[in-house]
Amino acid sequence: KNQVEQSPQSLIILEGKNCTLQCNYTVSPFSNLRWYKQDTGRGPVSLTIMTFSENTKSNGRYTATLDADTKQSSLHITASQLSDSASYICAPGGYQKVTFGTGTKLQVIP
Amino acid sequence: EAGVAQSPRYKIIEKRQSVAFWCNPISGHATLYWYQQILGQGPKLLIQFQNNGVVDDSQLPKDRFSAERLKGVDSTLKIQPAKLEDSAVYLCASSLNLGQAEKLFFGEGSRLTVL
Repeated sequence: KNQVEQSPQSLIILEGKNCTLQCNYTVSPFSNLRWYKQDTGRGPVSLTIMTFSENTKSNGRYTATLDADTKQSSLHITASQLSDSASYICAPGGYQKVTFGTGTKLQVIP
Repeated sequence: EAGVAQSPRYKIIEKRQSVAFWCNPISGHATLYWYQQILGQGPKLLIQFQNNGVVDDSQLPKDRFSAERLKGVDSTLKIQPAKLEDSAVYLCASSLNLGQAEKLFFGEGSRLTVL
């Protein structure tokens, strides 16, 4: 059974600080992993995608890493802003199927 | 470019009543998905269409849920009769095609409350 575990469940950080969100997955077959940002009351929006052969991918202040051997991924947010407050969802996939994690709820406070 | 459109945004019904949600994907997107997102959980796939054909409906509770995409463009998801546990946000997403790493574009969702 495909499983995705994200940690922490929730996180509060001060504006300007960095944070790292974790994702452990058991998905088969596996070919890629996306991180999504979901603002409250909105649909998820893709931040990054990595294939199984990629180790890191950046999108502005967001940097994702992937270790396909240990089935772990992380999302690092640098110099957080108030607008980063959202849920971040890890979504590994393969063979046209995607499994979504339950997300990490991030709150950035002034 | 217009995004994925969904309606209604909010719906409150009593258990055993019926409800329908509508989705219009991004123009030209062949693949359309309906997801159920219960509060505090990640999206769970209900059904996936490629044009007007069903690709995957293995997690759709077929005794009460139905979905169609008759002309391969917009789609309707129906629940009849609704149960309390159907309270959730129903997300529609579309992608250009059915590839290994296709990017999904989500609508804003339809929030259903069943009383």
